[in-house]
Amino acid sequence: DQQVKQNSPSLSVQEGRISILNCDYTNSMFDYFLWYKKYPAEGPTFLISISSIKDKNEDGRFTVFLNKSAKHLSLHIVPSQPGDSAVYFCAAETDKLIFGTGTRLQVFP
Amino acid sequence: DVKVTQSSRYLVKRTGEKVFLECVQDMDHENMFWYRQDPGLGLRLIYFSYDVKMKEKGDIPEGYSVSREKKERFSLILESASTNQTSMYLCASSNGLAGLYEQYFGPGTRLTVT
Repeated sequence: DQQVKQNSPSLSVQEGRISILNCDYTNSMFDYFLWYKKYPAEGPTFLISISSIKDKNEDGRFTVFLNKSAKHLSLHIVPSQPGDSAVYFCAAETDKLIFGTGTRLQVFP
Repeated sequence: DVKVTQSSRYLVKRTGEKVFLECVQDMDHENMFWYRQDPGLGLRLIYFSYDVKMKEKGDIPEGYSVSREKKERFSLILESASTNQTSMYLCASSNGLAGLYEQYFGPGTRLTVT
């Protein structure tokens, strides 16, 4: 039973354009959401988070949007850079973190 | 700088062997976690610990056990390795209740069981 879903396993975006990564969840009791970024041969690193009492959180080029009624989370990267090429995991919190399956982002020149 | 280290980057073991994966963090974090990462399944929580000598089962604890004798060290044990335990294993730590879910990860151990 996948409570956190990332339906797009991969995404390819041109450098300078916007990357939008999506995440859906089923449990309305989640109250905190996070995005992690993972390069090959490295562990995931925390990127940005949002509390369920907010609908947007911004940090530089990264913005996370939360639509509670739709149980949908998205990460926007503007402008996308080749160094953003990685696997992105969304995660949601109850008494522990529940991760999605990941989306591989490739940013090409 | 925050650091989580794992004892091996790559490990190859035979079916039935007892396997120890070690994780050490130097941030004085209370909480430590073991995950496995598999293609199409994301990260799944195996075991976690909120304090020394304390452990809690995650979502997929079968076939695994853990040990936390010291605050900085959290070991994952495969009692009798099986081929379906071939995976990438990731250790993480976090600080106290307030920072419970911003976890810091080690580089991972890719375990192959033959």
